[in-house]
Amino acid sequence: GAGVSQSPSNKVTEKGKDVELRCDPISGHTALYWYRQSLGQGLEFLIYFQGNSAPDKSGLPSDRFSAERTGGSVSTLTIQRTQQEDSAVYLCATGGGGPYEQYFGPGTRLTVT
Amino acid sequence: EDQVTQSPEALRLQEGESSSLNCSYTVSGLRGLFWYRQDPGKGPEFLFTLYSAGEEKEKERLKATLTKKESFLHITAPKPEDSATYLCASGGATNKLIFGTGTLLAVQP
Repeated sequence: GAGVSQSPSNKVTEKGKDVELRCDPISGHTALYWYRQSLGQGLEFLIYFQGNSAPDKSGLPSDRFSAERTGGSVSTLTIQRTQQEDSAVYLCATGGGGPYEQYFGPGTRLTVT
Repeated sequence: EDQVTQSPEALRLQEGESSSLNCSYTVSGLRGLFWYRQDPGKGPEFLFTLYSAGEEKEKERLKATLTKKESFLHITAPKPEDSATYLCASGGATNKLIFGTGTLLAVQP
């Protein structure tokens, strides 16, 4: 497709369950980023991929959060044993159009009950 | 610590009433200053990148400018469809973007 796509668009899960969020990048974009946007707060960086490797994982808030990228394309963000404070919109962005330019997907709204 | 601060938090304008949004930054090794627009329920939409002080970029009713410490997003004769949250971000020494909390703009007809 022409833009970054994410699935699911909405996810409601019970506290303690694991969730997987998916990002399909713009074709040819080698850089991929995950961010989190909580109500009333700015976008918070989580992790950065260049190709399949993750040179910057500094934003992952705990070891319950992990991400992988395969084939230099699709990425999956996994949250284990979800907590209510994990409720947020998770945004994926990809880059390749210029230094640091990032293009965002529509996000996945995660609600942990 | 790298930081981006936006002001005001919210701005209400009448249609046609020009104004400016401010973004101040303290970043070591700035690698670009970015402006995005975000509509409710959607991801941020890329608007501009500025790389050096004195640089200006324009798109329709929007013009972004950059100094060594801040950036401004000027909105000329806004229309109701310009209503959105405008986000500013800096590119620092790593590849991540550091975002401000945004300015919520409402343009009334």
